[in-house]
Amino acid sequence: KAGVTQTPRYLIKTRGQQVTLSCSPISGHRSVSWYQQTPGQGLQFLFEYFSETQRNKGNFPGRFSGRQFSNSRSEMNVSTLELGDSALYLCASSSGRPRAPLHFGNGTRLTVT
Amino acid sequence: KQEVTQIPAALSVPEGENLVLNCSFTDSAIYNLQWFRQDPGKGLTSLLLIQSSQREQTSGRLNASLDKSSGRSTLYIAASQPGDSATYLCAVPPANAGGTSYGKLTFGQGTILTVHP
Repeated sequence: KAGVTQTPRYLIKTRGQQVTLSCSPISGHRSVSWYQQTPGQGLQFLFEYFSETQRNKGNFPGRFSGRQFSNSRSEMNVSTLELGDSALYLCASSSGRPRAPLHFGNGTRLTVT
Repeated sequence: KQEVTQIPAALSVPEGENLVLNCSFTDSAIYNLQWFRQDPGKGLTSLLLIQSSQREQTSGRLNASLDKSSGRSTLYIAASQPGDSATYLCAVPPANAGGTSYGKLTFGQGTILTVHP
């Protein structure tokens, strides 16, 4: 069974640009969550989607947005990039049922110059 | 607000040693706790998930315990190997989480483990 797949693995963008990251969950999983990981702040929750609806949201500005498609694949968009957005962005999938474990992808490394 | 602390921040041991990593959380009303491993530049690999009704979970050389009343969990690694070198993270869902918080975890800062031959 294939794991969580994130594309691309690496991205370099310039301040002010926007970027879209993609995540394909494990087959059959309906929940996709996004996290940002930085050396200073560690892992921070961005948002979660379940059956194409945003179910939870973390404390990030509106420049960070996401969506989920009918096949459960999810995209995350960051607009007007800032240097501080440089991070490893991780996607996790789960069945969405209570108490189910999260399974993470290998992440997308975003560098903003 | 749930806070998670992991001690120690870093640990270096010789191969073959048994070791314990610690995780504490401020609000004990959680329904499970998950331990992860992260290799440099990679994503997280799920190691063990302990439900609130359990006290221990075992997988191979790994054993995790959960004491909700004291807000603590430990990850025990037996007979450590150089391949165990990685960052170990624990994570909990929001306290008193209802039916819509499953994907939202609070992580500790991790313990960086180095096992040298």
